[in-house]
Amino acid sequence: QKEVEQNSGPLSVPEGAIASLNCTYSDRVSQSFFWYRQYSGKSPELIMSIYSNGDKEDGRFTAQLNKASQYVSLLIRDSQPSDSATYLCAVSYWTNAGKSTFGDGTTLTVKP
Amino acid sequence: GAGVSQSPSNKVTEKGKDVELRCDPISGHTALYWYRQSLGQGLEFLIYFQGNSAPDKSGLPSDRFSAERTGGSVSTLTIQRTQQEDSAVYLCASSQDVGNTIYFGEGSWLTVV
Repeated sequence: QKEVEQNSGPLSVPEGAIASLNCTYSDRVSQSFFWYRQYSGKSPELIMSIYSNGDKEDGRFTAQLNKASQYVSLLIRDSQPSDSATYLCAVSYWTNAGKSTFGDGTTLTVKP
Repeated sequence: GAGVSQSPSNKVTEKGKDVELRCDPISGHTALYWYRQSLGQGLEFLIYFQGNSAPDKSGLPSDRFSAERTGGSVSTLTIQRTQQEDSAVYLCASSQDVGNTIYFGEGSWLTVV
């Protein structure tokens, strides 16, 4: 089992819809959780970080963390074609904060 | 500098040759990270530095891979006797301190032929 698993995708949603991206992780001592967006041929850029159970909202983006279920998700409201990208989930640990483990990513396409 | 700078941006090398990839982190960032990304895959952790020391080298795939960082700034990732499976994008990132938000460079695209 991979340490960080994401829906294989691809995920396609119409413009204006809510896109839901999911991630599960295996290590219960995981501390910090991150969502990165990566456009084709570009490097990842951080969208959201979340450290506590519950929801964290930033504009159209909401990250949700459930440590009991070892699950973190990213919701994108009012999806735009410019949101089309690969979304990477990453997890780091109390014991080794310098090492973030990434999932393989979910590719999102928002259709006009 | 304004961002993480990596060089070369593209490198094609023959199997068996050695390559050096360079990373210049954001000024003042004490933590520096190397990741590798193969086509269509997620990021694979290689190594990170806190200052000049590397607390975790566990991600280096083999003893052909080595990295160093001098002066708490520039880092070099060296791959000896390159193999075709080494072909990937090598991404460097830095953060103000370990555990803070990390910022990626544009990557060094390595192709071994």
